[in-house]
Amino acid sequence: EPEVTQTPSHQVTQMGQEVILRCVPISNHLYFYWYRQILGQKVEFLVSFYNNEISEKSEIFDDQFSVERPDGSNFTLKIRSTKLEDSAMYFCASSGTSGRAGEQFFGPGTRLTVL
Amino acid sequence: GNSVTQMEGPVTLSEEAFLTINCTYTATGYPSLFWYVQYPGEGLQLLLKATKADDKGSNKGFEATYRKETTSFHLEKGSVQVSDSAVYFCALSGNQAGTALIFGKGTTLSVSS
Repeated sequence: EPEVTQTPSHQVTQMGQEVILRCVPISNHLYFYWYRQILGQKVEFLVSFYNNEISEKSEIFDDQFSVERPDGSNFTLKIRSTKLEDSAMYFCASSGTSGRAGEQFFGPGTRLTVL
Repeated sequence: GNSVTQMEGPVTLSEEAFLTINCTYTATGYPSLFWYVQYPGEGLQLLLKATKADDKGSNKGFEATYRKETTSFHLEKGSVQVSDSAVYFCALSGNQAGTALIFGKGTTLSVSS
């Protein structure tokens, strides 16, 4: 069964450093998403991406964040200068096209720890 | 804006007990509704969904009915198992493909034998 994969599973970084979180969505999906979950809190939407551009983003997704699809398979989230409050689990998701909202398939997540 | 409200947890039950986790939503138009489950140390998995009023989603013995008149999507299971212990998230999204999922805060279920 196809699945979304994410690397690394755990990333530790120093405050102010840049990090890149990587995702491989399901191969025939066209919509890609990033969500985050701060420990013990709810899952929050960051950004969605379609046709090589951002289609929707939340207030959380400020200038410190960027997304890219550098090739035909990877989807990345970059945080330019990490802050302590960026520590969270980051989930990538993908979905296919459908008339109504289709299921979003989630990856296992990357736990980001900013020290 | 759109939002989802779930009952506060944790919910602690004995095996074979009946489960209800309440979920209500606020949305414009006719959203799609979902329940996702997160097992310890894992990511989110879709448990069930409903895309229009009066639809019933079901999976693994869990059910939820899309009630537009009460803006609710309560999750139920007749007989829980220890393996059902997890965090359950109610969520909604807009009608169009590619729209964001809006999640509730999650309800932790703990089932003991």
